[in-house]
Amino acid sequence: QKEVEQDPGPLSVPEGAIVSLNCTYSNSAFQYFMWYRQYSRKGPELLMYTYSSGNKEDGRFTAQVDKSSKYISLFIRDSQPSDSATYLCAISETSGSRLTFGEGTQLTVNP
Amino acid sequence: DGGITQSPKYLFRKEGQNVTLSCEQNLNHDAMYWYRQDPGQGLRLIYYSQIVNDFQKGDIAEGYSVSREKKESFPLTVTSAQKNPTAFYLCASATLDPTDTQYFGPGTRLTVL
Repeated sequence: QKEVEQDPGPLSVPEGAIVSLNCTYSNSAFQYFMWYRQYSRKGPELLMYTYSSGNKEDGRFTAQVDKSSKYISLFIRDSQPSDSATYLCAISETSGSRLTFGEGTQLTVNP
Repeated sequence: DGGITQSPKYLFRKEGQNVTLSCEQNLNHDAMYWYRQDPGQGLRLIYYSQIVNDFQKGDIAEGYSVSREKKESFPLTVTSAQKNPTAFYLCASATLDPTDTQYFGPGTRLTVL
């Protein structure tokens, strides 16, 4: 069993839709949860970073962590064609240490 | 401009040749990392270093080597022992601050001909 599971998609939605991206993990020691966005042939860029359970909002993006269920989510409101990218969840036990990545979900937002 | 640079962007090599990928950062980060990305497999850790002249193997270190002679630089050598080297290689760096995370360079696409 992989430490982090992420549905690879592809996911295709119309512009303006609410997008939900999810990861599950198996190690209860994980405490730091990140979402990276990666455009084609580019390096990943950090989108959201949360510690422990709860919600964090930044503009159209909301990251949600449920440690009891070992489940993390990224919601994108009013999705735009520029949101089309691969979204990677990443998790670590301690901040600054090695990250464990999901395999990424490819998202396309159609105008 | 602060950031992480990787060069070259595209690299071609013949089978049996060693090749070195460059990673430089001017963010004053202590930790640096090398990942490999293949379709459908996410990012896998090759090597990482948290201090100059010290580094640790990641999950897929076989066929790779690194050095950390300067804080700013963490070159990765893909040796001829690496069975399937064609991939997208990503370098990242981070502080050791517990509230920080890793930041990535633009990547190098290596193709073995």
